[in-house]
Amino acid sequence: DAKTTQPTSMDCAEGRAANLPCNHSTISGNEYVYWYRQIHSQGPQYIIHGLKNNETNEMASLIITEDRKSSTLILPHATLRDTAVYYCIVRTLWGAGNMLTFGGGTRLMVKP
Amino acid sequence: ETGVTQSPTHLIKTRGQQVTLRCSSQSGHNTVSWYQQALGQGPQFIFQYYREEENGRGNFPPRFSGLQFPNYSSELNVNALELDDSALYLCASSLGGQSSYNEQFFGPGTRLTVL
Repeated sequence: DAKTTQPTSMDCAEGRAANLPCNHSTISGNEYVYWYRQIHSQGPQYIIHGLKNNETNEMASLIITEDRKSSTLILPHATLRDTAVYYCIVRTLWGAGNMLTFGGGTRLMVKP
Repeated sequence: ETGVTQSPTHLIKTRGQQVTLRCSSQSGHNTVSWYQQALGQGPQFIFQYYREEENGRGNFPPRFSGLQFPNYSSELNVNALELDDSALYLCASSLGGQSSYNEQFFGPGTRLTVL
C-alpha cells in the first residue's frame, strides 16, 4: 500500500470546518483512500473512503485531487466530540479481505 | 445488529506468560483482523482470518497466533510474553470478498500490560 503523509497535529474552532490534508503521491490506480479516526482509548472508527471522485456522507466529505496525489477530509461543523486522531490510509483490496496500514495520523484538537 | 466486542477489557501478565484475547465479530461479517497499537502510535496489522483460515500476516513473530471459529469469532494468542508486547490489541471485522465497501469495524480493544 502507498504511504501517506499527514500533519502531526491541527487545531480547529468549534463550529468551524476542519480540513485535514493528506499526501499520497505514490498512490496507484487501484488504491482507495480511506479515513478513520480514533477517539482516545477507543477503537478506530471508519469515516469515509473514495477512489477518485469526491465523496460525502453524514460524517464528512472527502475531496481527492484530480491527480489523486492528495486528499482532504472535511468535517463541516466540528464539535468537541470530533477531537481525535485522524488516519489517512491508501490501500488495495485483495483476496477475501484487506489490511489497513496506519501511519501516525493527525491529532485534531477542537477548541471551544 | 451487534458491534464488535472484545474481552477482556484489561489484562496484566508477567514476562514469559501466555495470553489469549477474544473477539466477536459484527453480525454477518466473516473476516477478522487483529492489530497491535503501542502507546502513541498507529495500529499495526498482525494477521487476518477469513472463513477460519489465516489470510494475511504482518511483521509479527510466530509466537503471535490466532484462530477463527465457525461463528467467525476469533482468538489472538501470544506466547512467551515480552515487555514490548504491552499494547492495545484491536480486533476488526469486515465482510470479505471483492468489494469496495468492506470497511473494517473495530472493537474497543484489550489493553495488555506485561510486567
